[in-house]
Amino acid sequence: GAVVSQHPSRVICKSGTSVKIECRSLDFQATTMFWYRQFPKQSLMLMATSNEGSKATYEQGVEKDKFLINHASLTLSTLTVTSAHPEDSSFYICSALYPGHINEKLFFGSGTQLSVL
Amino acid sequence: KQEVTQIPAALSVPEGENLVLNCSFTDSAIYNLQWFRQDPGKGLTSLLLIQSSQREQTSGRLNASLDKSSGRSTLYIAASQPGDSATYLCAVQVDAGNMLTFGGGTRLMVKP
Repeated sequence: GAVVSQHPSRVICKSGTSVKIECRSLDFQATTMFWYRQFPKQSLMLMATSNEGSKATYEQGVEKDKFLINHASLTLSTLTVTSAHPEDSSFYICSALYPGHINEKLFFGSGTQLSVL
Repeated sequence: KQEVTQIPAALSVPEGENLVLNCSFTDSAIYNLQWFRQDPGKGLTSLLLIQSSQREQTSGRLNASLDKSSGRSTLYIAASQPGDSATYLCAVQVDAGNMLTFGGGTRLMVKP
């Protein structure tokens, strides 16, 4: 089946630094990728929709200048958490839309646990 | 390795019917179970989250139950509407910060 690779799986950083998370579709081209965030004991929540070659669409309440999304190619989207703070500590997961698959199935990365000290 | 299965894969019902979507998982040692809705070409919308210590959660016309010992969860949709047409996904998480394992989804069509 289709594979989505997300890297890194875990990252610990100091407050004020920036962290980049990569999401790659390994065996298909994904014009659309999604970024989610999950705080402890809460459900996975959509942050933004990333479209190749255009600006990302952010969900209400998500700061676009804080969470920079770049989808420069059909197989790679990146999420950069800028000037990270402890409240940004969360589990981030990406998914890629497989357009040729029946129902345009979503495939998910394995997630990134971000801890900001 | 955790495996999640959803039955049925597709379901078509007339408007107004009550319906049940099923989700089963192979490893009962879960942290939580989540139900999502996916509209074509869109990301996931979270519907309900059930912590491992809980038995059910309700939101409007939706009710989700969890039976960890048998490895099952059901999503009950009351008085279905055409706007409920979507793919419904369940996912289990074994620990906070760990990857979610998704079922294959149930594609629901509610006919007016």
